[in-house]
Amino acid sequence: EDQVTQSPEALRLQEGESSSLNCSYTVSGLRGLFWYRQDPGKGPEFLFTLYSAGEEKEKERLKATLTKKESFLHITAPKPEDSATYLCAVLRAGNNRKLIWGLGTSLAVNP
Amino acid sequence: EAGVAQSPRYKIIEKRQSVAFWCNPISGHATLYWYQQILGQGPKLLIQFQNNGVVDDSQLPKDRFSAERLKGVDSTLKIQPAKLEDSAVYLCASSPPSTSGGSYEQYFGPGTRLTVT
Repeated sequence: EDQVTQSPEALRLQEGESSSLNCSYTVSGLRGLFWYRQDPGKGPEFLFTLYSAGEEKEKERLKATLTKKESFLHITAPKPEDSATYLCAVLRAGNNRKLIWGLGTSLAVNP
Repeated sequence: EAGVAQSPRYKIIEKRQSVAFWCNPISGHATLYWYQQILGQGPKLLIQFQNNGVVDDSQLPKDRFSAERLKGVDSTLKIQPAKLEDSAVYLCASSPPSTSGGSYEQYFGPGTRLTVT
């Protein structure tokens, strides 16, 4: 069965304390893996798409990497404004565009 | 570029009442999605449109939920009658046409928070 698992469920960091969020997946034929950020009371905000193992993408303090079994979202020197829930979703090969979503990691960065 | 628009932002109704949500996707986006998100969970796809045709509605509770996308642009999601367990955030998303490289990212609206009492 296709599945996306994110860990940890919640993470609390001090400002400047780098860390990584994990998204592991089992899917028959990966077409793409997506990272989103969601702030309370808002819709998910698109961050990155990764298509193949070994691919990396960066945006400000965030860097996403992909292997054949999992993806990491590395947060370097986080700031309080990075506090949010980070969602991972995968798109499997096929004709439709249905994403399989993880439950998210809730990140809190203390000043 | 304007984002995905949704209205209303908040709605409180009593059980057994009906409610409708509206979504206007990003201009030029052919694919439109309606999701239900319960607090602490990832979005759950309710229905996916490609232009004005339904691609996937396998998780839509069709006895009470309905959706339409007339003219392939705006969409409306309706619940009738509402149940307590329908309390959630209803998100609309759209994605651009696929290119030869594949462009599948979805862009979300702010959502409608529904409370059923």
